[in-house]
Amino acid sequence: EADIYQTPRYLVIGTGKKITLECSQTMGHDKMYWYQQDPGMELHLIHYSYGVNSTEKGDLSSESTVSRIRTEHFPLTLESARPSHTSQYLCASSEDRTGSSSGANVLTFGAGSRLTVL
Amino acid sequence: GQNIDQPTEMTATEGAIVQINCTYQTSGFNGLFWYQQHAGEAPTFLSYNVLDGLEEKGRFSSFLSRSKGYSYLLLKELQMKDSASYLCAVMDSNYQLIWGAGTKLIIKP
Repeated sequence: EADIYQTPRYLVIGTGKKITLECSQTMGHDKMYWYQQDPGMELHLIHYSYGVNSTEKGDLSSESTVSRIRTEHFPLTLESARPSHTSQYLCASSEDRTGSSSGANVLTFGAGSRLTVL
Repeated sequence: GQNIDQPTEMTATEGAIVQINCTYQTSGFNGLFWYQQHAGEAPTFLSYNVLDGLEEKGRFSSFLSRSKGYSYLLLKELQMKDSASYLCAVMDSNYQLIWGAGTKLIIKP
């Protein structure tokens, strides 16, 4: 069963529209991430968060914004969608084990939101 | 710059063994991950190596050589359900993940 949920799974919208991709996790993880993935390409980090009220930009901010008001919720907003935003968006979370010798920061991914901007 | 290299696509036969290689150049090293991603689905965690050597987990094994910047994922007794993309990712000195583009593995009967 999924412990991290993304909605919508699929979205087709017109240029200039504002959209929000939702992501929620029930594992109590501190760290959350948004990645963009195109077919046959590597995952690109868009935004991440270390916890409530913490947000950071990744390598590819893609003109989007995020918020982290609650631990379990990490929505991604595109203020004005463009065709170049057409892609798969993956949300992920992990325990914060940075610097710990007890194991890896294993990511748990949501099923993804596939966005098409016409 | 930082980069991860892995073959784009590999083909293997059901029941056989396949080795998927990954070489990396990163700013620091805090572990290497392998994820499996079936078409249209989310990546799922397979293995983690931080020390040199082989980690075995059922039909899957992962090897790491930090001095060579090299890892491989070994899949034994291949099954049709193993058809997927296999993603190699390295955690750098800032604990950020650097991802490879993935290797698409095609299993033939």
